[in-house]
Amino acid sequence: RKEVEQDPGPFNVPEGATVAFNCTYSNSASQSFFWYRQDCRKEPKLLMSVYSSGNEDGRFTAQLNRASQYISLLIRDSKLSDSATYLCVVSGAGSYQLTFGKGTKLSVIP
Amino acid sequence: EPEVTQTPSHQVTQMGQEVILRCVPISNHLYFYWYRQILGQKVEFLVSFYNNEISEKSEIFDDQFSVERPDGSNFTLKIRSTKLEDSAMYFCASTMDREQPQHFGDGTRLSIL
Repeated sequence: RKEVEQDPGPFNVPEGATVAFNCTYSNSASQSFFWYRQDCRKEPKLLMSVYSSGNEDGRFTAQLNRASQYISLLIRDSKLSDSATYLCVVSGAGSYQLTFGKGTKLSVIP
Repeated sequence: EPEVTQTPSHQVTQMGQEVILRCVPISNHLYFYWYRQILGQKVEFLVSFYNNEISEKSEIFDDQFSVERPDGSNFTLKIRSTKLEDSAMYFCASTMDREQPQHFGDGTRLSIL
């Protein structure tokens, strides 16, 4: 049983494109939600927390649907530097350990 | 910006040997974590540590593993008798408040021969 499931990818998009990542989680009691990015053989780096009302940070928009147990990330105007693996991460339900999805790899092409 | 630092960056060890991975969390953080990532797989939780004791641990964190905060700055992960399947990237993370996002160090690549 996969606790956090993501689009398998890879996504290959041209510069300037809009790309969306989806994620579902199995534990309905989860309380905290994040998107991290991970460059090849590097550590996960926090991209943004995800709030119930949805939130935006520059070109990045995150949405949470608790009823569907679904999280999304939208990247507008993709840059070459956005190329990375995007990790959907969940915690809570009596635990503060982070549960990671396997990630979706994004390659932004010139 | 404060960082979590880990040493060494790469550790090569013979199977059966003990290994200690070191982490210096961000200075005002109170909650500390170890995760591992086997090549090509997802990041997996190992253990969390608060107030000088383990808060949670996963099934992976068996009797071969231990953690310690020997002084006010270091946080260590010890694997007593390494196995081939312990080969992975090991990430340390910390946070000031457990409701807040965790900040990760740049990892130690552990290779067991």
